[in-house]
Amino acid sequence: AQSVSQHNHHVILSEAASLELGCNYSYGGTVNLFWYVQYPGQHLQLLLKYFSGDPLVKGIKGFEAEFIKSKFSFNLRKPSVQWSDTAEYFCAVTSYNTDKLIFGTGTRLQVFP
Amino acid sequence: DAMVIQNPRYQVTQFGKPVTLSCSQTLNHNVMYWYQQKSSQAPKLLFHYYDKDFNNEADTPDNFQSRRPNTSFCFLDIRSPGLGDAAMYLCATSREEANTYEQYFGPGTRLTVT
Repeated sequence: AQSVSQHNHHVILSEAASLELGCNYSYGGTVNLFWYVQYPGQHLQLLLKYFSGDPLVKGIKGFEAEFIKSKFSFNLRKPSVQWSDTAEYFCAVTSYNTDKLIFGTGTRLQVFP
Repeated sequence: DAMVIQNPRYQVTQFGKPVTLSCSQTLNHNVMYWYQQKSSQAPKLLFHYYDKDFNNEADTPDNFQSRRPNTSFCFLDIRSPGLGDAAMYLCATSREEANTYEQYFGPGTRLTVT
């Protein structure tokens, strides 16, 4: 069965620090990859997605992620975080031609001014 | 703006008292999903509809039912809520399209069971 692992459960950073959140998935075939963000008290929002093409994907709010097929990874990065990036971040995957979105357990990011 | 709407945003029900949560969408997507999200956990898929075709997850309790009377609306019925059913319930939609299945989420309904 497919699974998604997010190894960082809770990350605490100061503003302007760089961010990298890990995401690994277990599926050998073609995948669609997503990062969702959930700000406190708000609904899940799509941050960025990868379907095909350039493995370096740019998202909203300065986030980017890189798909490395050989490592089954899709890590999220931001060069300089802001206090407003405080949120829960979920990596998710669907495999080719299926609608089931498999979520990782999430990473809580806290950014202090 | 096209969107996914969930009502109510907050719902309080008593132990064992049936409750219905609703979801509507203006995106005209043919696939609709219901997820349960407990505190500090990932959303867990309960079931989804492809048009009118209902797909239940194997581990979704029988206590949870769903109805989709038309493309725009989908309901989640909890027949006899227990304390363990207190959670955020998320509705999502997607358009059946090759290789993508990007899902659009509603704001959720937070269910409290007293």
